[in-house]
Amino acid sequence: EADIYQTPRYLVIGTGKKITLECSQTMGHDKMYWYQQDPGMELHLIHYSYGVNSTEKGDLSSESTVSRIRTEHFPLTLESARPSHTSQYLCASSEERDWEKLFFGSGTQLSVL
Amino acid sequence: KNQVEQSPQSLIILEGKNCTLQCNYTVSPFSNLRWYKQDTGRGPVSLTIMTFSENTKSNGRYTATLDADTKQSSLHITASQLSDSASYICVVSDRGSTLGRLYFGRGTQLTVWP
Repeated sequence: EADIYQTPRYLVIGTGKKITLECSQTMGHDKMYWYQQDPGMELHLIHYSYGVNSTEKGDLSSESTVSRIRTEHFPLTLESARPSHTSQYLCASSEERDWEKLFFGSGTQLSVL
Repeated sequence: KNQVEQSPQSLIILEGKNCTLQCNYTVSPFSNLRWYKQDTGRGPVSLTIMTFSENTKSNGRYTATLDADTKQSSLHITASQLSDSASYICVVSDRGSTLGRLYFGRGTQLTVWP
């Protein structure tokens, strides 16, 4: 069982609201990621981080932002949620020597009305 | 076009039966291929990794194969159990990738009926 946690598990909000999805890991991994997953579709990388104070945008254009102030914490923020943001958001981490092996959290299912 | 294609998209089998899931990829240069299992409402969990030099690898009732020449991999599940019901995702990484450059398939949704 991976020691990576996401909160909330489910979130239903109205359009225009600001939200933050939390992700924390206790494995000491430097590398962390946010993926977006829609039913029947492949995972898309939206943000990643090499370590503290390092963040990069992924392949999928996203209106979200991330921060990495502490190694264990990698929150994702949407300043103004829209219905098009409705999706499953998965946080993951990996260690330096085997970065391709991802440890995933259980995800946050976001619904924007 | 996705560089990792999985088939079938979904599969229903009876408990105790065997099944084989397929993954074809065009990613080049190839580094390795992982199979993940994703239970409903959970994040994916790594089952096995296949590197260029490996042809077959087993993890309990799961056996993965890799043919690097034809760029195909399969995941064979023996004596299926109800707990095998999940989505199985194939992920390929390329040798020249920067951090986070992985190629995901769309998964095969397996349902095991009693």
